[in-house]
Amino acid sequence: GQQVMQIPQYQHVQEGEDFTTYCNSSTTLSNIQWYKQRPGGHPVFLIQLVKSGEVKKQKRLTFQFGEAKKNSSLHITATQTTDVGTYFCAGWNYYGQNFVFGPGTRLSVLP
Amino acid sequence: SQTIHQWPATLVQPVGSPLSLECTVEGTSNPNLYWYRQAAGRGLQLLFYSVGIGQISSEVPQNLSASRPQDRQFILSSKKLLLSDSGFYLCAWSGGVYEGNEQFFGPGTRLTVL
Repeated sequence: GQQVMQIPQYQHVQEGEDFTTYCNSSTTLSNIQWYKQRPGGHPVFLIQLVKSGEVKKQKRLTFQFGEAKKNSSLHITATQTTDVGTYFCAGWNYYGQNFVFGPGTRLSVLP
Repeated sequence: SQTIHQWPATLVQPVGSPLSLECTVEGTSNPNLYWYRQAAGRGLQLLFYSVGIGQISSEVPQNLSASRPQDRQFILSSKKLLLSDSGFYLCAWSGGVYEGNEQFFGPGTRLTVL
């Protein structure tokens, strides 16, 4: 079945450092979505990428969808303590039959 | 605007007891509805999803069941809870037209089975 992996599992950074999490799918995706879950909270939708090679930015966050639509990345520039949380990628397989979340990357930001 | 409600927020149940978690959505029609379980510090496991009243798809075999008696109501149930059923249960909805729509999550129910 479709599998979605994320690396790293955990990341500790000093405030002001950059952070990147990578998402890899075993199958081609029709789209990729990114969610953020604050400690003790529920996942909150951040963005959706649909096109091959698509890049989207939200302030300090840059999202990229791979050319083959099997991988994606989230890059945060100059992290802040408010960026703390777990970042999940999730995607529908090409035929829209399965929607799978990655295991997430937990980000800690030290002040 | 759309809102999603889940209750209760926390629940402590003995092994072997029944379970009923309810989720309701307001402000939208014919949503896709989802039940997820999240073990402590882990990712999200899709348990059930529904594209319409009475239409339930199960992703994993387990002692849980789901029902959708009304368009915007999704219920997760169990006849006899197991210790392994402990976790954070999240209900979510998405637009029913295109599967690629983003999902909006409820606040979740933290279930502890003792």
